[in-house]
Amino acid sequence: GAVVSQHPSRVICKSGTSVKIECRSLDFQATTMFWYRQFPKKSLMLMATSNEGSKATYEQGVEKDKFLINHASLTLSTLTVTSAHPEDSSFYICSAALPGGNEQFFGPGTRLTVL
Amino acid sequence: KQEVTQIPAALSVPEGENLVLNCSFTDSAIYNLQWFRQDPGKGLTSLLLIQSSQREQTSGRLNASLDKSSGRSTLYIAASQPGDSATYLCAVNRVQAGTALIFGKGTTLSVSS
Repeated sequence: GAVVSQHPSRVICKSGTSVKIECRSLDFQATTMFWYRQFPKKSLMLMATSNEGSKATYEQGVEKDKFLINHASLTLSTLTVTSAHPEDSSFYICSAALPGGNEQFFGPGTRLTVL
Repeated sequence: KQEVTQIPAALSVPEGENLVLNCSFTDSAIYNLQWFRQDPGKGLTSLLLIQSSQREQTSGRLNASLDKSSGRSTLYIAASQPGDSATYLCAVNRVQAGTALIFGKGTTLSVSS
């Protein structure tokens, strides 16, 4: 199956700093990638849909100025958490679908801890 | 607004038992449904994908069924093993393929040896 990677897998940062998370489709081109967030013992919640070459579409309640998404190429989408606060601590997971395909493939996730 | 519910939230069984995990969704207008496995602190592993026109999919000891009209899906695990212990998530596609998934909260399964 298609492989999606994320980097870093784990990051700890101080409050007020910005953190960038990368999501890459390794063996296919993904025109659309998705960013999800998962709190402990909770389900995955969609944050935004990232489209190559255009602005991301954010879900209601997600601050676009805080969670900056860039999808500069067909294999890379980045999520930058700006001015991170402890409440931003969470597990962030990206996914990508094959063009015209049904199945979504998920990255291994990034555990963000903001002190 | 589509909502996905999974029952039970947690399940403990002895090794060897057959078990059923349930998933229900409020809007039957889905494109497909996926079952995933998530190990603690890890990402998602896709188990089975059922397209809206299909009734079931099988992979090894796993069988997933879909009743779109009633808004239900079940994941059947035969002859459970301790290695099956994980959280199982059900998710549906909004409207069409290539769109974001809406997830249930999952069922955490523990299989004891």
